[in-house]
Amino acid sequence: KNEVEQSPQNLTAQEGEFITINCSYSVGISALHWLQQHPGGGIVSLFMLSSGKKKHGRLIATINIQEKHSSLHITASHPRDSAVYICAVRWGTANFGNEKLTFGTGTRLTIIP
Amino acid sequence: NAGVMQNPRHLVRRRGQEARLRCSPMKGHSHVYWYRQLPEEGLKFMVYLQKENIIDESGMPKERFSAEFPKEGPSILRIQQVVRGDSAAYFCASSPETGGREYTEAFFGQGTRLTVV
Repeated sequence: KNEVEQSPQNLTAQEGEFITINCSYSVGISALHWLQQHPGGGIVSLFMLSSGKKKHGRLIATINIQEKHSSLHITASHPRDSAVYICAVRWGTANFGNEKLTFGTGTRLTIIP
Repeated sequence: NAGVMQNPRHLVRRRGQEARLRCSPMKGHSHVYWYRQLPEEGLKFMVYLQKENIIDESGMPKERFSAEFPKEGPSILRIQQVVRGDSAAYFCASSPETGGREYTEAFFGQGTRLTVV
């Protein structure tokens, strides 16, 4: 069964701390997304990765294809980073054009001032 | 360039009524995906549509649920005879046509929160 697992499920940290959220998946993928969802809010795409590393502001996403693992890092965390972070994958068998995603259950991050 | 637009944002229906959720994709996007997020659960794929075609409906419940994406107008997710278990957030995402040449990013709407009372 194709699965996506995230850890931790919940994470509480002090403002300024370095945050790491992990995602692992069971079989080959063609792309991995990191998404952000605020309570009662919409879903924002943070990164799409198929290899290597991407950086945007204080956010860094890495992926290791051989180990089937990705991490999302937040440097100098801030209370406004508090949200649910979701890992989602497009399986390697998907055809071009089909962006159907399978999601992890999310990591609820709370940053305390 | 407006993003993916979903309406209504909140919808309350009594058991047995019909719910219609609308999704207008980003300008230039011809692929639409519907996802459901049940309370305290992760997002699950429901259906993938292109203009006038259902491409993948492997995540759609077999009964009461249907989706369409007509040549003109928004994509519609329709739920007939709603039950309490249909209460969830329904998200739409869109992506552009690539001619089968590449993978692209999907852009999500704000979601419609359906409450069945």
